[in-house]
Amino acid sequence: DVKVTQSSRYLVKRTGEKVFLECVQDMDHENMFWYRQDPGLGLRLIYFSYDVKMKEKGDIPEGYSVSREKKERFSLILESASTNQTSMYLCASSLPRTNTGELFFGEGSRLTVL
Amino acid sequence: KQEVTQIPAALSVPEGENLVLNCSFTDSAIYNLQWFRQDPGKGLTSLLLIQSSQREQTSGRLNASLDKSSGRSTLYIAASQPGDSATYLCASTGKWGGADGLTFGKGTHLIIQP
Repeated sequence: DVKVTQSSRYLVKRTGEKVFLECVQDMDHENMFWYRQDPGLGLRLIYFSYDVKMKEKGDIPEGYSVSREKKERFSLILESASTNQTSMYLCASSLPRTNTGELFFGEGSRLTVL
Repeated sequence: KQEVTQIPAALSVPEGENLVLNCSFTDSAIYNLQWFRQDPGKGLTSLLLIQSSQREQTSGRLNASLDKSSGRSTLYIAASQPGDSATYLCASTGKWGGADGLTFGKGTHLIIQP
């Protein structure tokens, strides 16, 4: 079974802190994604990576950066956390759409910024 | 740009009923359509993936159908149980656009009354 692991299920940080959210997948997937999910707004794509060291901005990249140094790991970085970044963060991975394109999600990381 | 709509946003039915959840999309040029389940505070769990060349997929009490010409997919749940209570989301993978052209609906929140 595909496993996508997010390192932290719950985090509480203070405004201005630097925050790292880690995601690891074990199925050699090329594609990895970071979404945030807020009530009423659905899932919104922050960043997408289709290969090591490759990244593309999603719909809401402002205030975030990402790192993909190894194929299995995709990190989301909040350089200076703000209260409006309080949210559920979801990592996902998949084979390309020209393969099956099936998407697998991690358990989510609930971030609270005080 | 692809739009994915799920109606109704919420549904409450007695245990034992068969039910249908709806997902509509505006652009029929898709690679696949995927159904997910999300329990409160958790990530998304993949239920069924229908490739564009397929009409339906089945897993246990779940059956998903795809009609590209009408821009619709349905998720049929037979003999519903309280454990089926969750939010169900659909997502299309399009032939165009970055991030594998993924577009999510906002979900149907399902409650099965014991």
